[in-house]
Amino acid sequence: EVQLVESGGGLVQPGASLKVSCVASGSTFSDYWMSWVRQTPGKTMEWIGDIKYDGSYTKYAPSLKNRFTISRDNAKNTLYLQMTNVRSEDTATYYCCRLNIGTILDYWGQGVMVTVSS
Amino acid sequence: DVVLTQSPATLSVTPGERISLSCRASESVGTYLHWYQQKPNESPRLLIKFASQSISGIPSRFSASGSGTDFTLSINGVEFEDLSVYYCQQGDSLPHTFGAGTKLELK
Repeated sequence: EVQLVESGGGLVQPGASLKVSCVASGSTFSDYWMSWVRQTPGKTMEWIGDIKYDGSYTKYAPSLKNRFTISRDNAKNTLYLQMTNVRSEDTATYYCCRLNIGTILDYWGQGVMVTVSS
Repeated sequence: DVVLTQSPATLSVTPGERISLSCRASESVGTYLHWYQQKPNESPRLLIKFASQSISGIPSRFSASGSGTDFTLSINGVEFEDLSVYYCQQGDSLPHTFGAGTKLELK
C-alpha cells in the first residue's frame, strides 16, 4: 500500500522560511510525478505545484512560484517543499500527493500543519 | 483559471436516500474532472477519476457522470459513513483547481 508521510510543519514567523518533507513508500517513487496541495483553515483546497518523476521539471501555481520550490530526492524516496518569505495566508495543512496520469491525485499523505504567526 | 462551482454547499441527507452533487466548470475541462471524499479529520481520498471512472475499493453506490462543464456525483443509498465533504478537481489546464466542496450532513 502506498504511504506518504509528511513532516516539518509547525509555527513559523512571517517572513521566515520553512521546508517540509514527505517520505513515500509502497510504490516506486521515481516512477511518479508528485504534487503538493494545501488546505486552508476554511477548507479551501489549493494546488501548489507538481514535480516530474526525475526532478527535471516543475510546475507551480502562479501566485506561489516566486516563493515556493518543490524538489525531490529519489534515492531517499523523499519529496520537499521549500517555502520562503511566508505570510499569514500560507497558514494551512500541506498535503503531499502522488500524481497519476491525467492529473489524478491518487494518494494523499496525512498532511502537515503550517501556522504563520508572530 | 478554471473555476469549479459546487452545489449545494451543504446537503442534509437521510440514510438510504439517493443524492446528487453538482460541479460546474467555468470552461470545458473535457473529462479531466476528478472527485475526492474527505471524511472529518482525514485526508482526501480519490473517489472517481475522469468524470465517471470508478476507483478500486470505492463502494459501488458511488457513481458519477458528465463532461465539458457539467458534472454530477451520485450516491445511491447514502450511508452514515458517507457524511463527508466532497470536492471536484480539474486537471485539464493549469493551475489545477478545486471546487469549494459540498458537505453532507445528517438531516
